[in-house]
Amino acid sequence: AQSVAQPEDQVNVAEGNPLTVKCTYSVSGNPYLFWYVQYPNRGLQFLLKYITGDNLVKGSYGFEAEFNKSQTSFHLKKPSALVSDSALYFCAVRSYSGNTPLVFGKGTRLSVIA
Amino acid sequence: DSGVTQTPKHLITATGQRVTLRCSPRSGDLSVYWYQQSLDQGLQFLIQYYNGEERAKGNILERFSAQQFPDLHSELNLSSLELGDSALYFCASSARDLRAGELFFGEGSRLTVL
Repeated sequence: AQSVAQPEDQVNVAEGNPLTVKCTYSVSGNPYLFWYVQYPNRGLQFLLKYITGDNLVKGSYGFEAEFNKSQTSFHLKKPSALVSDSALYFCAVRSYSGNTPLVFGKGTRLSVIA
Repeated sequence: DSGVTQTPKHLITATGQRVTLRCSPRSGDLSVYWYQQSLDQGLQFLIQYYNGEERAKGNILERFSAQQFPDLHSELNLSSLELGDSALYFCASSARDLRAGELFFGEGSRLTVL
């Protein structure tokens, strides 16, 4: 079975500082990996995905994520946090093969403090 | 705006009742997914339809059912409601059943069971 772990329920960072939101995954075979963001009272919005190729993936709003196969991780990063980045972030995974759905982590609440 | 429309946005009902949640996918999207978001369980996959046929099933209770109609809209039926069914129900769509494709989420239907 595939699963995603987001070890931190909450991440606090000062505006202008770099941020990292952690994600590790478990899946049979190779993974497709995704990050989504949810603002209050809104649906999830796609940020970026890793399919294959370069381990560093760049996405929307200046976010990027690094795929590390040996550590089965896909951490989300941004060099300089903005207050407007404060939201709930979800990591998700699905396998290359089989009829498995997209499985989400429980989410990490990012709070950027001015 | 993701292009996915969900109605109603809010719904308050009593235990034992039945409700229907409706989802219109993005224009041209053939796949529809239903997810349940609750504070303690996170985002749980319920069921997926592709072009009118059930494609994958997750942690969907027997009291819940869904279908996708010829015009590709989908409905999630929740019956014999319990307090624990109170949650945010999301619909998402994707262009095809591509494992690498991202999902586009509606803004959700918030169900409160009293």
